[in-house]
Amino acid sequence: DAKTTQPPSMDCAEGRAANLPCNHSTISGNEYVYWYRQIHSQGPQYIIHGLKNNETNEMASLIITEDRKSSTLILPHATLRDTAVYYCIVRVVNAGNMLTFGGGTRLMVKP
Amino acid sequence: DAGVTQSPTHLIKTRGQHVTLRCSPISGHKSVSWYQQVLGQGPQFIFQYYEKEERGRGNFPDRFSARQFPNYSSELNVNALLLGDSALYLCASSLVTGRGNQPQHFGDGTRLSIL
Repeated sequence: DAKTTQPPSMDCAEGRAANLPCNHSTISGNEYVYWYRQIHSQGPQYIIHGLKNNETNEMASLIITEDRKSSTLILPHATLRDTAVYYCIVRVVNAGNMLTFGGGTRLMVKP
Repeated sequence: DAGVTQSPTHLIKTRGQHVTLRCSPISGHKSVSWYQQVLGQGPQFIFQYYEKEERGRGNFPDRFSARQFPNYSSELNVNALLLGDSALYLCASSLVTGRGNQPQHFGDGTRLSIL
């Protein structure tokens, strides 16, 4: 699976949009981009995933650049409960269930 | 709907002992994976099981083993416990083996402390 690079930490004001970047410059054509988050003392929570088109669900939006070398997770109106470590993961289709977690981005939402 | 459930939530063992951790997947999910998360790091893949067979294995010693039952629940066993085995052990389930793009859904883990 391709390696991902994320900033170690970010701050966001409550009510504002949180934009979390992820670089995956070596991504290949059959790799999806997945985002998970982990709130303290809980298991990782699935947020969203995509291949090349932008995706949106009730939690977030995923913007993938045209060359697929980077992506941005957008939380449109961050709340204090969005404070967590956010992981960007790329995974090959048909390669089994293994997810390779990096260090993630620790997002702190401040009042 | 019930999510992935793991038991126990916390466990304390001493070096040399063995431990069994249990996981019940989301209803309808047939694939179960296990991860180890050491404090301050991201989860690391240990095993994947589907239809009672091991389908993937991470870089862990043979002291770690697992199995899956006909009802798709799973157990992770660790023998000859070391201090370094202290971690949060996470179970994740998904609809299929990983073909396609089905996401995994995680339980809240078992926190294992080795004294």
